[in-house]
Amino acid sequence: SQQGEEDPQALSIQEGENATMNCSYKTSINNLQWYRQNSGRGLVHLILIRSNEREKHSGRLRVTLDTSKKSSSLLITASRAADTASYFCATAFSSGGSYIPTFGRGTSLIVHP
Amino acid sequence: TAGITQAPTSQILAAGRSMTLRCTQDMRHNAMYWYRQDLGLGLRLIHYSNTAGTTGKGEVPDGYSVSRANTDDFPLTLASAVPSQTSVYFCASSAGLADYTDTQYFGPGTRLTVL
Repeated sequence: SQQGEEDPQALSIQEGENATMNCSYKTSINNLQWYRQNSGRGLVHLILIRSNEREKHSGRLRVTLDTSKKSSSLLITASRAADTASYFCATAFSSGGSYIPTFGRGTSLIVHP
Repeated sequence: TAGITQAPTSQILAAGRSMTLRCTQDMRHNAMYWYRQDLGLGLRLIHYSNTAGTTGKGEVPDGYSVSRANTDDFPLTLASAVPSQTSVYFCASSAGLADYTDTQYFGPGTRLTVL
């Protein structure tokens, strides 16, 4: 499998705390993306970081990328109950001239009010 | 804007029966994808299409077929359903950018139970 792997599988925190999720992947990448999934819904794109970038911010989200370690982290600062969701990292690898997206198994985040 | 729609929302299907899951997007995206999501396994790619008229196999294609007759529609067919195909199925689309910076847009999913 070409999947990335998120860590931890589950995370439970209090509102106001920071949440950090990690993603490791196997192949060389052009970019890495993070998605969010609310229970019973489709995934929603959060942020993309290119392979030549080391850090990127979007609102309360901070993403880092370490291509030497083939890993990325997603930090959600000052978490809110509404951040409760599953978070997935996604990469893509080239196969036979096509771009094949692949998702990790996800981190389930619960933020207690 | 509807974005990407899937039908049906849910379905209970007898083993051995066939079924087509429908997916339509109105964003004129080149690329479309079908995933299945099972507890503990995340999303796994079944089939994809980079552009109308072409399709490719993903990680778990066995037991499924797709077609891409036009830009908007990407149906997924189970020819003879088996209980292991019980899952939530998500369709997604993306612009199909050459530099692979595509954002995927997901449909709401179809929950399929095969008995």
